[in-house]
Amino acid sequence: KQEVTQIPAALSVPEGENLVLNCSFTDSAIYNLQWFRQDPGKGLTSLLLIQSSQREQTSGRLNASLDKSSGRSTLYIAASQPGDSATYLCAVSWEAAGNKLTFGGGTRVLVKP
Amino acid sequence: DAGVIQSPRHEVTEMGQEVTLRCKPISGHDYLFWYRQTMMRGLELLIYFNNNVPIDDSGMPEDRFSAKMPNASFSTLKIQPSEPRDSAVYFCASSLVWPNEQFFGPGTRLTVL
Repeated sequence: KQEVTQIPAALSVPEGENLVLNCSFTDSAIYNLQWFRQDPGKGLTSLLLIQSSQREQTSGRLNASLDKSSGRSTLYIAASQPGDSATYLCAVSWEAAGNKLTFGGGTRVLVKP
Repeated sequence: DAGVIQSPRHEVTEMGQEVTLRCKPISGHDYLFWYRQTMMRGLELLIYFNNNVPIDDSGMPEDRFSAKMPNASFSTLKIQPSEPRDSAVYFCASSLVWPNEQFFGPGTRLTVL
């Protein structure tokens, strides 16, 4: 069964510290992997999308890496700010699953001022 | 662009009543997705459309759920009759090219009493 796991479920860091969020997935035959941010009571905002052929993607303070062989992706957020407090979701699409997105449970992040 | 629009934002109904959720995708997007988010099961894909045609409805939980897309700018998700276990946040998302970046609406929080 194709699954996506995010550990830990919650994380608290002081402002200024770098954030490291983990995502693991079964079955390395992915099409792409996406990181989303969700604020309380809001929809999801796409942060980064990594195609199967790519190793990483960067946008501002965000960097996401992809290691298909080990079934892992990591989202790095540099110099965290209180405004980074949110839930971060990882989602994977597999070719064998018709390219539908399968989401992890998310990591709830709190950045303390 | 106004983004993906969903209505209503909140819906409270009694068990047995019919519920209709509405979605307007981003103009020009050919793909439309309906998701459900609960604490227990996380974010799950219910159904998706391509060019107004349902492609995969394997995530629809049971026959009480139905979805339509009569034109490129409008889709509905209907639950009839509703049950308390249908209480969740329902998201609509659209995509220009799939499988690539999806844009999510703000969601409809459904409470069935």
